[in-house]
Parts: sequence; C-alpha cells; structure tokens
Amino acid sequence: DIQMTQSPSSLSASVGDSVTIICRASQYISSYLNWYQQRPGKAPKLLIYTTSVLQSGVPSRFSGSGSGTDFTLTISSLRREDFATYYCQQNYRTPITFGQGTRLAIK
Amino acid sequence: QVQLEESGGGVVQPGRSLRLSCVASGFTFSYYGINWVRQAPGKGLEWVALISYDGTNESYADSVKGRFTISRDNSKNTLSLQMNSLRTEDTAVYYCAKETERWLSLPGYFDYWGQGTLVTVSS
Repeated sequence: DIQMTQSPSSLSASVGDSVTIICRASQYISSYLNWYQQRPGKAPKLLIYTTSVLQSGVPSRFSGSGSGTDFTLTISSLRREDFATYYCQQNYRTPITFGQGTRLAIK
Repeated sequence: QVQLEESGGGVVQPGRSLRLSCVASGFTFSYYGINWVRQAPGKGLEWVALISYDGTNESYADSVKGRFTISRDNSKNTLSLQMNSLRTEDTAVYYCAKETERWLSLPGYFDYWGQGTLVTVSS
C-alpha cells in the first residue's frame, strides 16, 4: 500500500498568514494527489485534484504543487473559515490512501 | 443539486452484521463510481471500498476485505455496504462519496460526500 505522510500534524496561524502543508507518498504517484478540507462535524470537501487543479468554487488563495512523491498545499491570506483539518489523498492505485491529516488552528 | 444520503447506521454487537445504504440524487448515478470512506471518532479518513459506475469493478481496503461487500442498484440510484463480522475497530462515521470523473473504473477523487452515518460496534 502507498503510505501518505503529512507534515506538520498540526499548526497554528493567524488570519492573513500564509501556510504550507506537506504531503509525502511512500512511492511514486505521479500527479495523482488530491486535497480535502474538513470542518468539525462536517463531511470533507474537495479543494484540489491532480496536484494543482482547483475544484470549482474553491478560492484562489488555495494552491497545490508537486509531483512524484512530494506535494504541497499552500493557503495564502488565511481567512477564519480556513481553520480546519486538511487531508491529502492518492488515487494512483488502490487501496486509495489518505494522509493522517493536518489540523490548522487559529493562533 | 447533488445529494448523497446515507442511512442504516446504529449500534451493533461484535460479530454481527449491518447494511448501510446511500441514496443519490441530482446527477446521473449510473455514470459515476461511488466509494465508502469512514472516519473513526477523532481520527482521520480511511477509504473502505469502491464500486465502478456499472458495478463491474469493486475494490476494498485490506481491513474490510472478505467481510464487507459494496453493491449498487443503478435503477434505484442506491449504493449499499453489507458489513459482516463487525469488529470494534469498525466503529466510525461512514460516508458515501461520489467520484468526480464519469465512467471511471479506476480510483479517483471525490467531489460530493454525504453527511455520514455512525456505526458503533460494541458489546
């Protein structure tokens, strides 16, 4: 199975800051990497797919990059509604696997 | 609008069975693969199973293989998850999640999710 490791597991930031979350795959996954946001008590929401493509309706302050095994999610100009947990997910092959999540908290 | 609504969760004893359902609306159900993804209390997301748009391909996480069966009825826009030999570690909120791309038989990514149904396995 492909293991997905996110770092950090948690971070705190202030409104207006920029943050970067890293996701590393245990083996090559090309660009088959997606990002989700989950707010407490809610279902996950697709933010970015295929490494860098913004899902319809997602603000442009979210961006993704990377390839192969190393990927990043960057959120610029943080807004209050961005404080949530973020997950990466690979769909290179089954079993589909998620990172363990990164909790973004307000400082 | 696209909607996915899960049902069938509840409290069940270890070793027993439970069947979850997911009713879809707002899109052409037969065009899209559907997944089950679960989340144990306070934990991260775990993919459980995938069924292709036409039901001909299924895939399972190792943790549920041989115990869970995913199925779909395209005439009723319904997805099911038959869960047998339940274990305490199966306790989680179970989400159904729609693939974004049509007619895929490969794993994808999920643009719509239901609100989830809680399964608690406890004696």
